[in-house]
Amino acid sequence: GAVVSQHPSRVICKSGTSVKIECRSLDFQATTMFWYRQFPKQSLMLMATSNEGSKATYEQGVEKDKFLINHASLTLSTLTVTSAHPEDSSFYICSARDISGEQETQYFGPGTRLLVL
Amino acid sequence: GQNIDQPTEMTATEGAIVQINCTYQTSGFNGLFWYQQHAGEAPTFLSYNVLDGLEEKGRFSSFLSRSKGYSYLLLKELQMKDSASYLCAVMDSNYQLIWGAGTKLIIKP
Repeated sequence: GAVVSQHPSRVICKSGTSVKIECRSLDFQATTMFWYRQFPKQSLMLMATSNEGSKATYEQGVEKDKFLINHASLTLSTLTVTSAHPEDSSFYICSARDISGEQETQYFGPGTRLLVL
Repeated sequence: GQNIDQPTEMTATEGAIVQINCTYQTSGFNGLFWYQQHAGEAPTFLSYNVLDGLEEKGRFSSFLSRSKGYSYLLLKELQMKDSASYLCAVMDSNYQLIWGAGTKLIIKP
């Protein structure tokens, strides 16, 4: 099946610093990628939809100036958590929409675990 | 509003069969997905249903009834490694996934 990678897989940073997370679709082009976060024992929460060549669409309650999304190419989207605080500590997961096959589906990256001290 | 319901937790015995139900109410429908998520890991894709009926894939099968807003995931010959959370998600008219809270499946020897 299709593969989506995320980097880094785990990051620990100090409060106030910025962290960039990369999401890449390795063997298909993704005009649309999604960014989710998941708190322990909770369901995935969609943060934003990343569209190649245009501005991301943010879900209600998600600060676009804090969570910067850039979809620079058909295989790469980045999420930057700016001025991170301990409450931003979470599991961040990206997914990429694959429309090349008979049916559209989404493939998930392995996730990035962020810990802000 | 949009709503996906599935049981919070289920327990089954190794070697047995378990059915995880999912009911949904969404604005539009472009398919229903089942994902498996082991603790601490990202979800992995299991199945996709867009037409009514049963899709079988090895030990896993998924069923959809669009008129009833209902799906189930059937797991046969359960193995200990099947212990995980199973997430039901519906793709709405905007092609966004609406997620259920997940069903934690506990397999006992």
